[in-house]
Amino acid sequence: EDQVTQSPEALRLQEGESSSLNCSYTVSGLRGLFWYRQDPGKGPEFLFTLYSAGEEKEKERLKATLTKKESFLHITAPKPEDSATYLCAVLTYNFNKFYFGSGTKLNVKP
Amino acid sequence: DTEVTQTPKHLVMGMTNKKSLKCEQHMGHRAMYWYKQKAKKPPELMFVYSYEKLSINESVPSRFSPECPNSSLLNLHLHALQPEDSALYLCASSQESSLGASSYEQYFGPGTRLTVT
Repeated sequence: EDQVTQSPEALRLQEGESSSLNCSYTVSGLRGLFWYRQDPGKGPEFLFTLYSAGEEKEKERLKATLTKKESFLHITAPKPEDSATYLCAVLTYNFNKFYFGSGTKLNVKP
Repeated sequence: DTEVTQTPKHLVMGMTNKKSLKCEQHMGHRAMYWYKQKAKKPPELMFVYSYEKLSINESVPSRFSPECPNSSLLNLHLHALQPEDSALYLCASSQESSLGASSYEQYFGPGTRLTVT
């Protein structure tokens, strides 16, 4: 059965304290893995798409990487405005829809 | 421009009311989606429209009725809802939903916060 698991569930960081969020997946036939940021009461904001193992994408303080079993979202020197819930989703060849993980709620304190 | 708009932003309705949620995109995307999101949970897929035809219905109760009048618009008609249907309803679009698309990322609107009393 296809499954997407994110960890940790919640993460509290001090401003400037770098860390990583994990998205592990067991799916048959990965078509793509997607990272989103969601602020409370708002729609998810698209961050990155990763298609194959070894691929990396960067945007400001965020860097996403992909292996055959998991993806990491690395946050370098985070700022309070990076506080949000980060969602990963996978798209498979079998089922033409996103499977979302349960998200990691990031809180960056000044 | 990667904007998906949704109206209204907030909606309060009684269990006997009929209301509609609206979604619009002008990115030329041919796939559009409705999701339901409860507090502290990820979005749950409800419906997928591909080239204006319903391609996925995730066993959603018939009190939710989707409609895709054209490639830019998506509606969700609501009737006889229950209090447990209160949630954030998200619309999304992507280039297309079939194999062979050049990109698959979905762009989400801001959502409609629905409260059923």
